[in-house]
Amino acid sequence: EAGVAQSPRYKIIEKRQSVAFWCNPISGHATLYWYQQILGQGPKLLIQFQNNGVVDDSQLPKDRFSAERLKGVDSTLKIQPAKLEDSAVYLCASSLGGAYNEQFFGPGTRLTVL
Amino acid sequence: GENVEQHPSTLSVQEGDSAVIKCTYSDSASNYFPWYKQELGKGPQLIIDIRSNVGEKKDQRIAVTLNKTAKHFSLHITETQPEDSAVYFCAAARTGGFKTIFGAGTRLFVKA
Repeated sequence: EAGVAQSPRYKIIEKRQSVAFWCNPISGHATLYWYQQILGQGPKLLIQFQNNGVVDDSQLPKDRFSAERLKGVDSTLKIQPAKLEDSAVYLCASSLGGAYNEQFFGPGTRLTVL
Repeated sequence: GENVEQHPSTLSVQEGDSAVIKCTYSDSASNYFPWYKQELGKGPQLIIDIRSNVGEKKDQRIAVTLNKTAKHFSLHITETQPEDSAVYFCAAARTGGFKTIFGAGTRLFVKA
């Protein structure tokens, strides 16, 4: 079974530039999550999708971050404009959905904002 | 806001010894408590989880305990091996994975 795929793996941009990350979840997984993991910290949930609908985006900085999940499969996370404090690893995870489901994580995209 | 506190932040043990990591959560609606292992350059991987209707769960060398009254849960690794060296995260979540909150992580070193 293929795992969660993310691209790119690494990205370096200057502040005020824009950047986008892509995630392809495990086939058949209804729930998709985006997390931000700052160095030395635990992952912080940014947004959770159930199929193609948002169920929780309470911690997403909506003035600069946006995310979409077209057709309930792939998802993109965008930052525009980026700030220095956005430097982090952005992790995508997916789960079958329903109660207590295990989240499967991708390898992450390491973003460096200069 | 809700949070999960995790201790210790760093743990060093001798191969063969036991390791214990403790977490405390604040969201009373949390009912699912997974533990993840993260190796360098990789995403977190689930190693064990426990649901709120269970007090203890064991899988080979790994066990997790939950005290829902005190809002405490712990990870126990016995007979540690060098390959157990990694960062371990606890998390608390509501049904369906909603409001998943991670602890800050514990870096475990197992010395051969």
